[in-house]
Amino acid sequence: DTEVTQTPKHLVMGMTNKKSLKCEQHMGHRAMYWYKQKAKKPPELMFVYSYEKLSINESVPSRFSPECPNSSLLNLHLHALQPEDSALYLCASSQGTLGTETSTDTQYFGPGTRLTVL
Amino acid sequence: EDQVTQSPEALRLQEGESSSLNCSYTVSGLRGLFWYRQDPGKGPEFLFTLYSAGEEKEKERLKATLTKKESFLHITAPKPEDSATYLCAANTGFQKLVFGTGTRLLVSP
Repeated sequence: DTEVTQTPKHLVMGMTNKKSLKCEQHMGHRAMYWYKQKAKKPPELMFVYSYEKLSINESVPSRFSPECPNSSLLNLHLHALQPEDSALYLCASSQGTLGTETSTDTQYFGPGTRLTVL
Repeated sequence: EDQVTQSPEALRLQEGESSSLNCSYTVSGLRGLFWYRQDPGKGPEFLFTLYSAGEEKEKERLKATLTKKESFLHITAPKPEDSATYLCAANTGFQKLVFGTGTRLLVSP
């Protein structure tokens, strides 16, 4: 089973709201990722967690705050977003081979959360 | 700079009309070339991983091949349900994928 689940499927929020996106996998993977995807564009990497520690932050604005409570869960906390942050937010996971430079792991994606910021 | 380019940007085929999608890459150290299928509004679905030049993988009507500079996704006798955007991505190390911009495939009955 290569399933990654994400909730909610859709989210509409105002610029002053605080909300969270959730991601879960039960494949025993130790690396988890957040991506942002705008229409007709490829996914853009935001964050990588490796063994529950943040290993990559692609200079993402602080209004996006990731959290990895355990090896199966990944959250993305949202606060004071802008309309241009509206996008499909994707979570992915991979085996998480130690020694990230040489990792050849396949990333498996969830269905995404469609976020609209009003 | 690591770069992945896909062509064509869009492709329209008749059902049963075979074709190939191209993915050219320029990366300093390739640690895997991945193909994904993405339906509108959904997450990418993993298709294949290729690691070495000369490697080939098949799944139903799809066959992926890899050379030192490019990868091809061959679609044999496509059906309308094969319509989707096909993304290729190069693993450049440190768990980072460099994505191409995708090929939007439309297969008409």
